[in-house]
Amino acid sequence: DVKVTQSSRYLVKRTGEKVFLECVQDMDHENMFWYRQDPGLGLRLIYFSYDVKMKEKGDIPEGYSVSREKKERFSLILESASTNQTSMYLCASSKQGSSYNEQFFGPGTRLTVL
Amino acid sequence: RKEVEQDPGPFNVPEGATVAFNCTYSNSASQSFFWYRQDCRKEPKLLMSVYSSGNEDGRFTAQLNRASQYISLLIRDSKLSDSATYLCVVMVGTGGFKTIFGAGTRLFVKA
Repeated sequence: DVKVTQSSRYLVKRTGEKVFLECVQDMDHENMFWYRQDPGLGLRLIYFSYDVKMKEKGDIPEGYSVSREKKERFSLILESASTNQTSMYLCASSKQGSSYNEQFFGPGTRLTVL
Repeated sequence: RKEVEQDPGPFNVPEGATVAFNCTYSNSASQSFFWYRQDCRKEPKLLMSVYSSGNEDGRFTAQLNRASQYISLLIRDSKLSDSATYLCVVMVGTGGFKTIFGAGTRLFVKA
């Protein structure tokens, strides 16, 4: 059974803290993605990675950075958390090779920044 | 204007009803199209891909109209378990990277 796991389901942080969100997939997928999901806005792509150590900005990268040191792991970093980064964060992975490859999602991390 | 637009609903239908969802996209370079389903407090999961010729999977039928930049999903004989949010998803280009999600349409199926 394919699996994408995220380090926390719920996280509460204070403004200005550095926040790490971890994502691990066991499917040997090349592509990994970080999204945030907000009511009425849907999922918005923050960053994606198509290979180890490779990363590309998505639609809303400001205030975020990422790290992919190993194929199975993709980390999202909030250098200095702000209240407008309170959201649901979803990690996903997919194979390369076809534009119809399914994205598999983790269960999400609900982050609250106070 | 959003790149992928959906009617947010909610759609409230009785069991056994037929319900249709529509979605429009603005980027003419869009290559691949999907419907994902998201249950309350869960992650999105692929429901079906949408091919140019249209495709059917049991009670679900998806259609694509490239000329009008329009995608649809038809659910026949609705079940209680179909209650969820349905996300229209468009992939721009062929690399599999630029994926745009609609905000979703909520469906409630009532007994």
